[in-house]
Amino acid sequence: KAGVTQTPRYLIKTRGQQVTLSCSPISGHRSVSWYQQTPGQGLQFLFEYFSETQRNKGNFPGRFSGRQFSNSRSEMNVSTLELGDSALYLCASSFRSFITETQYFGPGTRLLVL
Amino acid sequence: GDSVTQMEGPVTLSEEAFLTINCTYTATGYPSLFWYVQYPGEGLQLLLKATKADDKGSNKGFEATYRKETTSFHLEKGSVQVSDSAVYFCALSDLKGGGADGLTFGKGTHLIIQP
Repeated sequence: KAGVTQTPRYLIKTRGQQVTLSCSPISGHRSVSWYQQTPGQGLQFLFEYFSETQRNKGNFPGRFSGRQFSNSRSEMNVSTLELGDSALYLCASSFRSFITETQYFGPGTRLLVL
Repeated sequence: GDSVTQMEGPVTLSEEAFLTINCTYTATGYPSLFWYVQYPGEGLQLLLKATKADDKGSNKGFEATYRKETTSFHLEKGSVQVSDSAVYFCALSDLKGGGADGLTFGKGTHLIIQP
């Protein structure tokens, strides 16, 4: 079974631009979560989508948004990029949106904002 | 709010040494606990998990026991190998308001195993 895939793997943007990241979950998984990983803050939860609905959201500004399509693929968008948005963005999928479910992570998209 | 505390390291050990990475947590509910591992340049891989008190998760020689009385989930391995060099994350998932709130991670422990 194919794992979680994320595209692109690397991105370079400049301040003020916007960016869209894509995540394809494991086949059959309906929950997709997004995390931001930085050296200073570590891993932080952004939001979770289940069956095309955002179920939970972390403590991030409204510049960070996402959506999920009917095939469970998800996109994350960051508008008006800031230098501090430079990070590794990880996507994770699970079968159900449930606390005991194992989340399977993709390799991440590394975003550099100049 | 929920939090996870673990030693950040780096932790440097010789091959075949005994490993312990401490992890303690604070949670409002009754969380599930996880250990994830991240190898250089890669995403996170689940190493093991435990969903209720006294459960022991184990995988690839690693093990951890869910201790509710001490709010701990320490990771152990009897004999480490160079290939175990990676960053290890302790995490919890808690039920809040009827819905999961994502994983709460510790800062990660960088483990270096020397031959």
